[in-house]
Amino acid sequence: TQLLEQSPQFLSIQEGENLTVYCNSSSVFSSLQWYRQEPGEGPVLLVTVVTGGEVKKLKRLTFQFGDARKDSSLHITAAQTGDTGLYLCAGDWAGNNRKLIWGLGTSLAVNP
Amino acid sequence: DAGVIQSPRHEVTEMGQEVTLRCKPISGHDYLFWYRQTMMRGLELLIYFNNNVPIDDSGMPEDRFSAKMPNASFSTLKIQPSEPRDSAVYFCASRADNLAGRGTDTQYFGPGTRLTVL
Repeated sequence: TQLLEQSPQFLSIQEGENLTVYCNSSSVFSSLQWYRQEPGEGPVLLVTVVTGGEVKKLKRLTFQFGDARKDSSLHITAAQTGDTGLYLCAGDWAGNNRKLIWGLGTSLAVNP
Repeated sequence: DAGVIQSPRHEVTEMGQEVTLRCKPISGHDYLFWYRQTMMRGLELLIYFNNNVPIDDSGMPEDRFSAKMPNASFSTLKIQPSEPRDSAVYFCASRADNLAGRGTDTQYFGPGTRLTVL
């Protein structure tokens, strides 16, 4: 059973388009992190959200934590080819002995 | 800092052989994690250490897998004997201790070892 569901699984868009990817769960998380992984590399942390309803911005990326702390979204404005990669969400769940729970990821391809 | 270092980057071996993956965490980090990543199952935590002590190995698939951390700057993940279904990318990650007791600290990942078992 996957506690964190990410959608869509794959996304291919043209440069300049906007997109939103989602990370959903029926469980409540203390915090949630978003990572980006490029081919041949390990995941790199983008942001951590902690408070329900929190919104964080990182240049063209906007992250939101749901009010109930069960879900999160990542919105990219005017996507660039450099945004290509696998976007992973990971939740800190109190019932999991402080281990992160990982989604399967959204594979994003931004075409020139 | 050089970040988390893993070796080898690629490993191709035959079924039944022993495989040893190596990791050097970031200096000063108290936690070390071993993950396995596949297309079907995503990123799976195998085991993690705190101050060189194994805390949770519930993710280790079976007795063929073992991990050690003899000191703060080195860890190994060994598979003996290896099987084709072990083929995956294995990541090591480290992070500093979060004294606040919440998992908000950054995990820093190494570049991974791509293992292929024929």
